[in-house]
Amino acid sequence: EAQVTQNPRYLITVTGKKLTVTCSQNMNHEYMSWYRQDPGLGLRQIYYSMNVEVTDKGDVPEGYKVSRKEKRNFPLILESPSPNQTSLYFCASSTSTGQSPLHFGNGTRLTVT
Amino acid sequence: AQSVTQLGSHVSVSEGALVLLRCNYSSSVPPYLFWYVQYPNQGLQLLLKYTSAATLVKGINDFEAEFKKSETSFHLTKPSAHMSDAAEYFCAVTPAGNKLTFGGGTRVLVKP
Repeated sequence: EAQVTQNPRYLITVTGKKLTVTCSQNMNHEYMSWYRQDPGLGLRQIYYSMNVEVTDKGDVPEGYKVSRKEKRNFPLILESPSPNQTSLYFCASSTSTGQSPLHFGNGTRLTVT
Repeated sequence: AQSVTQLGSHVSVSEGALVLLRCNYSSSVPPYLFWYVQYPNQGLQLLLKYTSAATLVKGINDFEAEFKKSETSFHLTKPSAHMSDAAEYFCAVTPAGNKLTFGGGTRVLVKP
């Protein structure tokens, strides 16, 4: 089954404790992206990757890191989480063309206390 | 830069009634437009997309949307609401490439 898998689904942590949210897709997609969803703000892009070893900032990259060492994986790293990063996070992937729809994971709900 | 405005963060409809969700966009070039749906505790799923072919686009579950260039709109409709349509709906636009800009979302409540 074609899918984007994120882990964990739920995560509660404390300020400053480094964490990683994993994302993997099995569709051989070149493009992958991370979004955060906050009420009333829709989805805002954090980082995206057009291919292996190619990443770029989205609209809200501060406080986040990503890497794309393999085509299928695109982890999101929070080196020193803060309470304002409490949010619902989504990983998504698509083929390289702009008109191709995104395939989303089921989300990771992060709480930073 | 493109932007997307969805009028109404919450919409309540009766089962069997028309569903109308409004989306207006701004884009410097002809865009690709999408509607996504998010059911509780799930990721977003594609409902339909406009890619400069027919202006009336049909999607899954009897949803459709009409692209109106003069009004810069891409409103989503469904003739008859079903309880299973209760979800949050997002309009999104990309002028080119893969950078999507999402609207703020509209949560639909369906009353029996």
